[in-house]
Amino acid sequence: EAGVAQSPRYKIIEKRQSVAFWCNPISGHATLYWYQQILGQGPKLLIQFQNNGVVDDSQLPKDRFSAERLKGVDSTLKIQPAKLEDSAVYLCASSFGGNIQYFGAGTRLSVL
Amino acid sequence: KQEVTQIPAALSVPEGENLVLNCSFTDSAIYNLQWFRQDPGKGLTSLLLIQSSQREQTSGRLNASLDKSSGRSTLYIAASQPGDSATYLCAVRPASQGGSEKLVFGKGTKLTVNP
Repeated sequence: EAGVAQSPRYKIIEKRQSVAFWCNPISGHATLYWYQQILGQGPKLLIQFQNNGVVDDSQLPKDRFSAERLKGVDSTLKIQPAKLEDSAVYLCASSFGGNIQYFGAGTRLSVL
Repeated sequence: KQEVTQIPAALSVPEGENLVLNCSFTDSAIYNLQWFRQDPGKGLTSLLLIQSSQREQTSGRLNASLDKSSGRSTLYIAASQPGDSATYLCAVRPASQGGSEKLVFGKGTKLTVNP
């Protein structure tokens, strides 16, 4: 069974530029999550989708971050414009039935 | 607001030792607790999940316990091996979040097992 796929693995941008990350969850998993993990911290949930609907985006900085999950499968997370403090690893996870969340390898973002 | 603390932040042990990692959380109203492993440059791998009604779970050399009333969990690793070297993260899923399945993570314990 293929795991959660994310791309790109690494991205370096300058502040005020925009960036997008892509996630393909495990086949059949209705729930998809985006987490932000700052160096030395545990992951923090940014947004949770159930199929293509948003369940929880309470910790998403909506002035600069946006996410979508068209057709209830793949998802993209966008940052526009990026700030220095957005430097982090962005992790995508998916689950079936709401218990174990399966994580992708993440995208490491550096904002200069 | 739920907060999760993990002690110690880092641990170095010789191969073969048994060890315990600690996790504490501030609000006992949880749905479940999970222990994850994170290797450098990689995502998280779920090791053990304990439902709120359970006291412990075991998988191979790993045993996790949960004392919900005191807000504590421990991860016991028996006969440690160099391949166990990684960062171990504890996460709780708070109860009563509506449909949210948000996990609240600790900062992790970085484990190094020396040959």
